[in-house]
Amino acid sequence: DTGVSQDPRHKITKRGQNVTFRCDPISEHNRLYWYRQTLGQGPEFLTYFQNEAQLEKSRLLSDRFSAERPKGSFSTLEIQRTEQGDSAMYLCASSLGPYTGELFFGEGSRLTVL
Amino acid sequence: AQTVTQSQPEMSVQEAETVTLSCTYDTSESDYYLFWYKQPPSRQMILVIRQEAYKQQNATENRFSVNFQKAAKSFSLKISDSQLGDAAMYFCAYRRPTGGGADGLTFGKGTHLIIQP
Repeated sequence: DTGVSQDPRHKITKRGQNVTFRCDPISEHNRLYWYRQTLGQGPEFLTYFQNEAQLEKSRLLSDRFSAERPKGSFSTLEIQRTEQGDSAMYLCASSLGPYTGELFFGEGSRLTVL
Repeated sequence: AQTVTQSQPEMSVQEAETVTLSCTYDTSESDYYLFWYKQPPSRQMILVIRQEAYKQQNATENRFSVNFQKAAKSFSLKISDSQLGDAAMYFCAYRRPTGGGADGLTFGKGTHLIIQP
């Protein structure tokens, strides 16, 4: 296993369009996280799964955002009716629970909304 | 809510020299974890070093070490013998031991480390 992978790496879209990002965590990891990172800022938590259950969502995750993790494997993050303010790097991370301390991050999916 | 502050937006150091990156945090918890993550340009974030709050001994990983001052809520990273490959954004992060989720990993804004050849 080569680590956490994310797809696509880059996405340019027009305002109002829907976009979907995929994350494949390290295979034995049961916890999966989505973070958003804007330029000059540290990552901000969006949501978190333990297996297939979405256990927590940040207030940053508006109704236009939805995340799923069917069967507790890969996860998708969908943004509907994109806005220019959604432009950011979307990071996925996974970890092995119970908590061991380290999150393993993917390379991220960069979204540009025109 | 926990907050993490990195007061140095950018630091520069000559190759082979030593540099210290600062981090302070605010929490009412007594048990927690602290991390330094490195994010090279256009590459994934990787863990540099981890410190458990209940351990008094400062963590060390090869050329990287921390100065953990629990009472002062300070967690600085020292990089010895700086190498060109150390150039990156460095993020300090805090996590509760029962974390996961919004009260899990809180990041600072990062310090951009430049290595001068």
